[in-house]
Amino acid sequence: QSALTQPPSVSGSPGQSVTISCTGTSSDLDTYNSVSWYQQPPGTAPKLMIYEVNNRPSGVPDRFSGSKSGNTASLTISGLQAEDEADYYCSLYSTSGTLVVFGGGTKLTVL
Amino acid sequence: QVQLQESGPGLVEPSQTLSLTCTVSGASISSDGYYWTWIRQHPGKGLEWVGHIYHSGSTYYNPSLKSRIIIALDTSKSQFSLQLNSVTAADTAVYYCARGLINWNRGGHLRAFDIWGQGTMVTVSS
Repeated sequence: QSALTQPPSVSGSPGQSVTISCTGTSSDLDTYNSVSWYQQPPGTAPKLMIYEVNNRPSGVPDRFSGSKSGNTASLTISGLQAEDEADYYCSLYSTSGTLVVFGGGTKLTVL
Repeated sequence: QVQLQESGPGLVEPSQTLSLTCTVSGASISSDGYYWTWIRQHPGKGLEWVGHIYHSGSTYYNPSLKSRIIIALDTSKSQFSLQLNSVTAADTAVYYCARGLINWNRGGHLRAFDIWGQGTMVTVSS
């Protein structure tokens, strides 16, 4: 069962792009495409931003994009806005052990 | 519009049972397209999957909690519930219910949690 590692924090200025990585400790992230990303502003419930590696739900701006290479998934936010400031979590579904695992979360600060 | 709403006591004594209910509106809890899920978040920490239930009643639990939890479905009330036994301070957390989308083209894999409740804080303390 993979544990998912995210950087504790990232930052960027308005208009810039940032990328948040999510690295698995086993081959699960490479094997499964069930990677999703969630945005959680302080004091609120998480919100789905990306599912199955690179799909955006309706209503999520196309500034948000996802990708995967080997055992690392990434969330890229382009054209940073102040409202993007939040914690971001990756998640992986696999078919053994703990079926769903979350990364430790990354705090995005918009400078 | 699909909505999920958690309810239950905000304070539970150590060694007692935590019981929460999630009421689903705007979607059929009997649909074969979803896993009805509990996720928790310890204060200042990340998210932890607790477990989920399928409309057939099949349940899937976090191995670290499996000996203490029961997730059940009440289709007549459009609700699903969480019972966590023998709680300790380590169970103090915000508990979220969420809807998990199933990808049947990939053998029933979970796509993602697309709808979340607002969360309810549960404190374990005497």
